[in-house]
Amino acid sequence: DADVTQTPRNRITKTGKRIMLECSQTKGHDRMYWYRQDPGLGLRLIYYSFDVKDINKGEISDGYSVSRQAQAKFSLSLESAIPNQTALYFCATSAVTDTQYFGPGTRLTVL
Amino acid sequence: GDSVTQMEGPVTLSEEAFLTINCTYTATGYPSLFWYVQYPGEGLQLLLKATKADDKGSNKGFEATYRKETTSFHLEKGSVQVSDSAVYFCALSVTSGTYKYIFGTGTRLKVLA
Repeated sequence: DADVTQTPRNRITKTGKRIMLECSQTKGHDRMYWYRQDPGLGLRLIYYSFDVKDINKGEISDGYSVSRQAQAKFSLSLESAIPNQTALYFCATSAVTDTQYFGPGTRLTVL
Repeated sequence: GDSVTQMEGPVTLSEEAFLTINCTYTATGYPSLFWYVQYPGEGLQLLLKATKADDKGSNKGFEATYRKETTSFHLEKGSVQVSDSAVYFCALSVTSGTYKYIFGTGTRLKVLA
């Protein structure tokens, strides 16, 4: 079984809709991250959490929010989706050693 | 600010050719450096890393050396295989002050049989 899972894997939605992307991990790591990947831009950090009570904004947090429900769960929400949020979203986890372990990604399309 | 710059792709090579993908960085403090690989339809996975100057990371025939004097972390492999076709990302992390984990834009490698 995969160590980091993301649901859904694909989602098509309309402008203005609220969307939640979910991430679960079985690696026992305290640290979790959300990234978006766009062609030609690499990965950009949206939010990160070093433990259940710790939430931090990353490089591009505007328009997004997160919830750390448990050590193993970290969800990303788009309160009112817009077309330029169309991207591939990745969840990742790490221990203090800093190597990140990525989920398979969620492809989100906002029409 | 902190940043990672890697060579534009795509890079197309014949099987058994020598590979170099250039990566340079700008960072305050003492970053750790990473190479990740992304196969089609998958998330990124760590290929190798180095945490201090002059360290050499290696894995699966790939190598990279942390060069502080040239702020570089170039990825090399002596003989590529078709199965190495993927997108390669250079990244750095810094923990002095605000935590940052910064990825380059990725370099697509295509190896032809």
